[in-house]
Amino acid sequence: AQKITQTQPGMFVQEKEAVTLDCTYDTSDPSYGLFWYKQPSSGEMIFLIYQGSYDQQNATEGRYSLNFQKARKSANLVISASQLGDSAMYFCAMRESLTGGFKTIFGAGTRLFVKA
Amino acid sequence: DAGVTQSPTHLIKTRGQHVTLRCSPISGHKSVSWYQQVLGQGPQFIFQYYEKEERGRGNFPDRFSARQFPNYSSELNVNALLLGDSALYLCASSSRGQSGNTIYFGEGSWLTVV
Repeated sequence: AQKITQTQPGMFVQEKEAVTLDCTYDTSDPSYGLFWYKQPSSGEMIFLIYQGSYDQQNATEGRYSLNFQKARKSANLVISASQLGDSAMYFCAMRESLTGGFKTIFGAGTRLFVKA
Repeated sequence: DAGVTQSPTHLIKTRGQHVTLRCSPISGHKSVSWYQQVLGQGPQFIFQYYEKEERGRGNFPDRFSARQFPNYSSELNVNALLLGDSALYLCASSSRGQSGNTIYFGEGSWLTVV
């Protein structure tokens, strides 16, 4: 069965420090995509970063980087220089192909608290 | 440009009723997918539509149905509502129906069943 595992229900980080949010995945599909989304209390899911299964280099988007270790099936999100506005739920997700389409599986999420 | 828009933003229904949720994708996006997010959990995939055809379905009962219109907007219908259907329903759009494309979410419809 395909699944996404986020083992950290909650994380605390000091403002301006870096933090790593863990994500492991399991799939037998050779072609897949990995995503991280941020969900503030308002509910909207905000796209942060994408990593394709065939990408050779780790994805980066501003202060966000994805530590992709394919053999270990992990896709950890690193947030550098944390800001108070980074406090939110963070979801790791995996996109898998279906016949003619796709489905996306989300992990349970990690709640990040940034301390001033 | 407008992002993904959903309506209504909040609604309350009673058990046994029917609900219709609506979604307008980002202009130019032809794929729409629906997710259910129960409080404290991650979103669960319900449906994906591309070019007005169902391309994927999650593990939801037949009470859940959806459709996509020629303008690529979409409706999610839920019949015979149960208390457990109370959740945030998220719609997402992407430019194509392929797994590599980023999907962009709307702000969701908060459904409470009493």
